Amino acid sequence: AQKVTQAQTEISVVEKEDVTLDCVYETRDTTYYLFWYKQPPSGELVFLIRRNSFDEQNEISGRYSWNFQKSTSSFNFTITASQVVDSAVYFCALSEARGDNFNKFYFGSGTKLNVKP
Amino acid sequence: NAGVTQTPKFRILKIGQSMTLQCTQDMNHNYMYWYRQDPGMGLKLIYYSVGAGITDKGEVPNGYNVSRSTTEDFPLRLELAAPSQTSVYFCASSALTGSNQPQHFGDGTRLSIL
Repeated sequence: AQKVTQAQTEISVVEKEDVTLDCVYETRDTTYYLFWYKQPPSGELVFLIRRNSFDEQNEISGRYSWNFQKSTSSFNFTITASQVVDSAVYFCALSEARGDNFNKFYFGSGTKLNVKP
Repeated sequence: NAGVTQTPKFRILKIGQSMTLQCTQDMNHNYMYWYRQDPGMGLKLIYYSVGAGITDKGEVPNGYNVSRSTTEDFPLRLELAAPSQTSVYFCASSALTGSNQPQHFGDGTRLSIL
């Protein structure tokens, strides 16, 4: 079973539109961590944000915001007033705590965001 | 500010050839990882290491080998290249403790097996 599901394979928006990327995760742990990464067309993976399972406060960073809801096991990512430079593949990831401190990541399959001028 | 460095960036191999993908990090991270990313897919863990001299298999280890003789380096070896190994390979590292540490990725190696 998929630990992290990103149901939206590809989304296209016009510049300045708001867009939300969905992420649903599955875990039995009470302590876990969620991440978002951005992969621009150049191919590198860029870390965007980390949340722990005990902090459900939404977070805003400029045009980016994240909505973490444990009740629905979701960690959605919203870009406000999208720009062409936001075009990328975005990955959601789950990290589960283990006794040996090894942080194994489970990545979703990614959502490709196309922002058109 | 090098972070995680992977070489080469691109490579084309013939079926049956072998090669080593290099990965080095300068952040003194104990944990290192190799992933592969197939077209349109997420990342799958090939091998990982929790410190020098210690390695373990991930989800898709068949056809690959790794070694970790130093903290900095974590090379990935393909012994008999097969078309199914055509992929983009990412090396990553993370700090010692806790599963809350983000993984820092290299720029990837795009490998084609023909």
